[in-house]
Amino acid sequence: DGGITQSPKYLFRKEGQNVTLSCEQNLNHDAMYWYRQDPGQGLRLIYYSQIVNDFQKGDIAEGYSVSREKKESFPLTVTSAQKNPTAFYLCASSTPGTGGNEQFFGPGTRLTVL
Amino acid sequence: QKEVEQDPGPLSVPEGAIVSLNCTYSNSAFQYFMWYRQYSRKGPELLMYTYSSGNKEDGRFTAQVDKSSKYISLFIRDSQPSDSATYLCAMSEPGGGNKLTFGTGTQLKVEL
Repeated sequence: DGGITQSPKYLFRKEGQNVTLSCEQNLNHDAMYWYRQDPGQGLRLIYYSQIVNDFQKGDIAEGYSVSREKKESFPLTVTSAQKNPTAFYLCASSTPGTGGNEQFFGPGTRLTVL
Repeated sequence: QKEVEQDPGPLSVPEGAIVSLNCTYSNSAFQYFMWYRQYSRKGPELLMYTYSSGNKEDGRFTAQVDKSSKYISLFIRDSQPSDSATYLCAMSEPGGGNKLTFGTGTQLKVEL
């Protein structure tokens, strides 16, 4: 079964703690993305990676970090420097050459800071 | 002004109605246009994808792009309660690093 998995589904964090959100895909896609979704604001791009061992900042990268050591995996760390981390986090993947920039999303992780 | 504007709704319609969802945009370089459906607390699901101007039909769904007006639409025929969700438009430009720009989403409720 091909797809994108994210874990955990729900995550609670105390202020001052770093947390890492997992994203794995078995679609053989080259590119992967992290978005943050807040009510009334749509999806905002945090980081993206078009190839292994390379990634770029999106529109709201401050307070976040990523790595891309394997094609299948693109974990996101929410650091204590992120001022308002409570949100719904979505991971997506795509591959160039399949007709454009269609991105396919995982089920999301809801992060709550206590 | 946002690059992509989308009325957040909520939009409430009776079952069987034709639904029209719309987005306007300001970047004339956008060439690829997508519609996603997102159920509550779930990830977005790709519904329709179109390139440049024109219409595309898939079952009860029709996507329409008018590049001259910088306006895209999604029509849903014979709407069902299972269509109740938030609909997000997204678009991108060639050479844009595969990045998508999203609208804020329109919440649709189809009532029995």
